[in-house]
Amino acid sequence: QKEVEQNSGPLSVPEGAIASLNCTYSDRGSQSFFWYRQYSGKSPELIMSIYSNGDKEDGRFTAQLNKASQYVSLLIRDSQPSDSATYLCALTNTGNQFYFGTGTSLTVIP
Amino acid sequence: DAGVIQSPRHEVTEMGQEVTLRCKPISGHNSLFWYRQTMMRGLELLIYFNNNVPIDDSGMPEDRFSAKMPNASFSTLKIQPSEPRDSAVYFCASSRTGGGNQPQHFGDGTRLSIL
Repeated sequence: QKEVEQNSGPLSVPEGAIASLNCTYSDRGSQSFFWYRQYSGKSPELIMSIYSNGDKEDGRFTAQLNKASQYVSLLIRDSQPSDSATYLCALTNTGNQFYFGTGTSLTVIP
Repeated sequence: DAGVIQSPRHEVTEMGQEVTLRCKPISGHNSLFWYRQTMMRGLELLIYFNNNVPIDDSGMPEDRFSAKMPNASFSTLKIQPSEPRDSAVYFCASSRTGGGNQPQHFGDGTRLSIL
């Protein structure tokens, strides 16, 4: 079982809609969770971090963490074409090891 | 503050040649990570250092790959001899701790093509 699982997509949403990206993980003791955005041909860029259960909002982005169900999600409100990218979920597990998911490709259609 | 700096940005060489990739982490970050990214395999951790010491090199694919961190501000990833299947984008990242609650920050990557 992989440490981090993501649906590779592609996920397509119309401009202005809410994009929902999901990630599940296997190590129940994982502590820290991150969302990275990677544009084609570019490096991963940190957009959100979350450490405790619940929601964390930053502008149009909301990260949600549910440790009991072992999932973390990223919501993008009012999606824009510039949000089109691959979104990588990452975490550190109980062994303090850092893992990335394989990423979900998002396309926002104008 | 300057981010993670990698060089070269692009490298094209013939198989069998030695390739050296370079990385300068963000000042004050004491952990450094080397990744390889391909379409087929995604982002793979090759090796990471904490306080200049290699902690986990289980991701290094073969003995042809080696990495060093002689000081806190410089690291190299070397491939000798290189093979076409080594073609990928290689990223260096750094963080403040050994991967705990601090995120990693990535350099722009080196796009490596082995002919």
